[in-house]
Amino acid sequence: QKEVEQNSGPLSVPEGAIASLNCTYSDRVSQSFFWYRQYSGKSPELIMSIYSNGDKEDGRFTAQLNKASQYVSLLIRDSQPSDSATYLCAVSLPYGGATNKLIFGTGTLLAVQP
Amino acid sequence: ETGVTQSPTHLIKTRGQQVTLRCSSQSGHNTVSWYQQALGQGPQFIFQYYREEENGRGNFPPRFSGLQFPNYSSELNVNALELDDSALYLCASSFGLAGQETQYFGPGTRLLVL
Repeated sequence: QKEVEQNSGPLSVPEGAIASLNCTYSDRVSQSFFWYRQYSGKSPELIMSIYSNGDKEDGRFTAQLNKASQYVSLLIRDSQPSDSATYLCAVSLPYGGATNKLIFGTGTLLAVQP
Repeated sequence: ETGVTQSPTHLIKTRGQQVTLRCSSQSGHNTVSWYQQALGQGPQFIFQYYREEENGRGNFPPRFSGLQFPNYSSELNVNALELDDSALYLCASSFGLAGQETQYFGPGTRLLVL
């Protein structure tokens, strides 16, 4: 079982719709969770971080965390063509002392249709 | 812009050669992590440096090595290059080692091994 799993997509949504991206993780030790956006040929850019169960909202983005189900999601409201990118879910794991390493999923490709 | 810079942006090498990639951290950050991202995959953790010491390593062979300097900039060295080393190499800087510390990525170095 992969440590962080995402549906590779593509997830196609019409402009203005809500895009829902999902991620599951296997290690219950994980405490910190991140969503990165990566445009083609570019490096990952942080969108959201979440550490506690529940919802966290930032503008059009809402991250949801359920540690009991080992599930993280990202909702994008009023999706725009500029949101078209690969969304990477990352989980921070302690690794030898206090080290935090990020474990990434393979990413979900989101395509917002005008 | 994250304030993290990497050089060079692109590099072409042949099998068996050696390569050095460089990373300059965001101001105030003392931790650098290196990741390898193959095409269509999420980034994979190579190793992390904290205050000039290696502080955790992923499943990469010893021919992948690194350094961190007193100004917290960093180098990734890869010896005896193999075709599978072709990838986007990302460095990420952060402050400290806590799991909640956000890692900010540089633009990456794209390495092609022929």
